[in-house]
Amino acid sequence: SAVISQKPSRDICQRGTSLTIQCQVDSQVTMMFWYRQQPGQSLTLIATANQGSEATYESGFVIDKFPISRPNLTFSTLTVSNMSPEDSSIYLCSAEGQGNTEAFFGQGTRLTVV
Amino acid sequence: SQQGEEDPQALSIQEGENATMNCSYKTSINNLQWYRQNSGRGLVHLILIRSNEREKHSGRLRVTLDTSKKSSSLLITASRAADTASYFCATANGGGRRALTFGSGTRLQVQP
Repeated sequence: SAVISQKPSRDICQRGTSLTIQCQVDSQVTMMFWYRQQPGQSLTLIATANQGSEATYESGFVIDKFPISRPNLTFSTLTVSNMSPEDSSIYLCSAEGQGNTEAFFGQGTRLTVV
Repeated sequence: SQQGEEDPQALSIQEGENATMNCSYKTSINNLQWYRQNSGRGLVHLILIRSNEREKHSGRLRVTLDTSKKSSSLLITASRAADTASYFCATANGGGRRALTFGSGTRLQVQP
């Protein structure tokens, strides 16, 4: 199993600013994923982050708003840019399990934009 | 986009009772996973059932999978106040999409 350390755990940010969320995995993983969970809702995939290539974004999410880095097989960052109150959500990173096994999640970042 | 729906959306029971949550999905899957989330924090993995399995147990948890109906259920027996949380099913579809697709979730409240 893998352990993912995600930080910050929470932040309160001013609108118009940007926040970078970091996820560190304790083992090498091929694919990492970033999800958003809006208040009272389920998780929605933002993008898939592969090492050495650009992230693949889901419909409704764009690179300019949510730039992602994946410099190696154990680390990824998600930036929420030019934030507005509508960006207030929990953001979670995840790593794919090996073979047909469970996925692993960070503890989430609770973002409030004021 | 959300693939699955869960019902009920909310469930309130007394401690000691059983809680059953259902999940439906739309496409073929490699596996289906159940997660718990306490107070909007990270997800805790509960159990994974593969597409060729029909039932799986883990402690007080029992999961069933019916691929013909594209549905799954999670049963928590002898519930405790500490089981109060949101529960999500998530499917791994394999193929080109490697990320999980989450159901809408069930909020479980266990009254002491």
